Amino acid sequence: DIQMTQSPASLSASLEEIVTITCQASQDIGNWLAWYQQKPGKSPQLLIYGATSLADGVPSRFSGSRSGTQYSLKISRLQVEDIGIYYCLQAYSAPNTFGAGTKLELK
Amino acid sequence: QVQMKETGPGLVQTTQTLSVTCTVSGFSLTSYGVHWVRQAPGKGLEWMGIIWGDGSTNYNSALKSRLSISRDTSKSQVFLTMNSLQTDDTAVYYCAEMGLWDIPYYWGQGVMVTVSS
Repeated sequence: DIQMTQSPASLSASLEEIVTITCQASQDIGNWLAWYQQKPGKSPQLLIYGATSLADGVPSRFSGSRSGTQYSLKISRLQVEDIGIYYCLQAYSAPNTFGAGTKLELK
Repeated sequence: QVQMKETGPGLVQTTQTLSVTCTVSGFSLTSYGVHWVRQAPGKGLEWMGIIWGDGSTNYNSALKSRLSISRDTSKSQVFLTMNSLQTDDTAVYYCAEMGLWDIPYYWGQGVMVTVSS
C-alpha cells in the first residue's frame, strides 16, 4: 500500500500568515492527490484535486503544488475560517490512503 | 444536486455485524463510484473501500477480510457491511461520491456507530 507522510502534525499560525502543509508519498502517484479541510463535527470538504486544481467555491488563497513525490498545500493569507484539520489523500491506486492530518490553530 | 445520506444502527454489540446504508441522489451509481471513509473519535480519516460504477470493489487492506461493499442501483443505495466488530470500530462512517481524479468529492454528513460490549 502507498504511505502518505503528512507534516507537521500541528501548526500554530497568525492571521494573514503564509501556511504550508506537506505530504510525502512513498512512491510515485503522479498528480493523484487531493487535499481536504475538516472542521469539528463536520464532513471533510474538498480543497484541491489533481494535486494543483482548486475545487469549486474554494478561496484562491488556497493552492496546491507538487515536487516529485512531495505535495504541498499553501494558504497564502491565513483567515479565521481556515482553522481546522487538513488531510491529504492519494487516489493513484487502491487502497487509497490519507495522511495523518495537520491540525491548524491560530496563534 | 448531489446528495449523500448515511443511515445506520447507532449501537452495535461486539462480534456482531455492522450494516450502513448510503442513499444517493443527483447521479447514477452505474456512472459514478462511491467511497466509504470512517473516522474514530478524535482520530484521522481512514479510507475503507470503494464500489466503482461498474460494480467492482476495492478495500482497505487491513479491513478486507471483514468488509463488503455492495449496491442496489434501482434504489440508489450503497451498502457497507462489516463483521466481527470490535470497540475500535466505533467511528463516524461517511460515504462520498467519486468525482474528478477518482477522489471522494461530495460527502454525506456521516453516521456515528458505537460498538459496545
